[in-house]
Amino acid sequence: AQSVTQLDSQVPVFEEAPVELRCNYSSSVSVYLFWYVQYPNQGLQLLLKYLSGSTLVKGINGFEAEFNKSQTSFHLRKPSVHISDTAEYFCAVSFTNAGKSTFGDGTTLTVKP
Amino acid sequence: GAVVSQHPSWVICKSGTSVKIECRSLDFQATTMFWYRQFPKQSLMLMATSNEGSKATYEQGVEKDKFLINHASLTLSTLTVTSAHPEDSSFYICSGRTDARETQYFGPGTRLLVL
Repeated sequence: AQSVTQLDSQVPVFEEAPVELRCNYSSSVSVYLFWYVQYPNQGLQLLLKYLSGSTLVKGINGFEAEFNKSQTSFHLRKPSVHISDTAEYFCAVSFTNAGKSTFGDGTTLTVKP
Repeated sequence: GAVVSQHPSWVICKSGTSVKIECRSLDFQATTMFWYRQFPKQSLMLMATSNEGSKATYEQGVEKDKFLINHASLTLSTLTVTSAHPEDSSFYICSGRTDARETQYFGPGTRLLVL
């Protein structure tokens, strides 16, 4: 079965500290990988995506993620977070044999001053 | 970047009435549109996938007769919640995509409250 797991439901971190939000997937076919951010009462905004090529993907707002095929992971990282990064983050996987995406359960990132 | 709008942004209705939510891709042609439902502090649950000019494909457990989806053009899809009940209260989000390799672009969501 194909699935997406975000390993941490909540991640509290102090401002200017580094952060990593973890995402693992399970699939028997090739995948496209995405990270989205959702601010309260808003839709989702794309942070970055991996379709092919370089496994290190850089996105908006200083975020980056690395696709690791052997570990079936796509962890999101930022070297120094800001208060404004406080939001819900979703990892999503689109399987190449299907038209739809599957979302993880989300990780709440809370940046404290 | 690609923009998707939803209208209305929020709606309150009485139990038993029907509510229509519009999803528009403003600057691209969305061959596929998705409708999601999101409960508080939970992930997005895919309700259905619609391709322009075709019948929507509903996910298991989603009542097609209750959640009517129409994707009449490459820039507009509508979700109609028929005979809404309080348990239908939720945040409904749509997204549009040009093809499977491309990003889904999400609308801002519609919050539905059924009294």
